[in-house]
Amino acid sequence: EPEVTQTPSHQVTQMGQEVILRCVPISNHLYFYWYRQILGQKVEFLVSFYNNEISEKSEIFDDQFSVERPDGSNFTLKIRSTKLEDSAMYFCASSDNSNQPQHFGDGTRLSIL
Amino acid sequence: AQSVTQLDSQVPVFEEAPVELRCNYSSSVSVYLFWYVQYPNQGLQLLLKYLSGSTLVKGINGFEAEFNKSQTSFHLRKPSVHISDTAEYFCAVTPTGANNLFFGTGTRLTVIP
Repeated sequence: EPEVTQTPSHQVTQMGQEVILRCVPISNHLYFYWYRQILGQKVEFLVSFYNNEISEKSEIFDDQFSVERPDGSNFTLKIRSTKLEDSAMYFCASSDNSNQPQHFGDGTRLSIL
Repeated sequence: AQSVTQLDSQVPVFEEAPVELRCNYSSSVSVYLFWYVQYPNQGLQLLLKYLSGSTLVKGINGFEAEFNKSQTSFHLRKPSVHISDTAEYFCAVTPTGANNLFFGTGTRLTVIP
C-alpha cells in the first residue's frame, strides 16, 4: 500500500537556525498537509496545500513557516529561525481530494536546543 | 469554530473485554468525523470515517463508531480487544468542504493481559 514518507525521522537543531522537513506524499494525491504535535498535546493543523499554493493555514503558521513543492514528488516545510517552542513532532499528510481521508507519514521529531 | 473533546485520556482494559472510547465535538457547520490510531513511534493511521449515510460505521481491526448528531458524539467501540490494540486513539473532525482536521487530545488505550 502506498505510504507517505518523511525524512529525517529525528532532527536536532540549534535555536535560531533554519530547518527543512521533507515529505514525499502518495504519488497520485493532490492535497498536502502539515500538522504538528507538541509533546503531550493534541495534533494541530498547520497548513494545507493544493495546486501549488496554500489553501488554508492556521494561526500557528506565521511568517517563520513556509511550504514548497520543489518538484513532482517532495513537499517541504521550512522554519526560518527556529525557537524552543517549535520542538514537536511534525506530521505530513496527503489526500487525493478534499473530502477523502488524509494519509499520514510517521512524522519527524524536531528538537530545538 | 470546531473543537473535539476526548474526555478519557487513558483507558485500561483487560484483553478480550469490550471497550468504548468517547468523543464529542462542537461545530457550527456540518462535519466529517474520523478516528485515527497511533502505534508507538508511528504516524496516524485511519481507523474509520463518517462522511454521510448510515450512522454506524465499521473500520479496520474490528472497530466501529456511531455518529449521534443530537448528542454530537462519535464514540469508538470494539467488542473484544487484543493486546495489539494498545495505542493512542485520536478523534478528529473536519468541516465539510474544508481541508484541515481538528483533533482531540487523544485516548491512550492499554490492553492488559
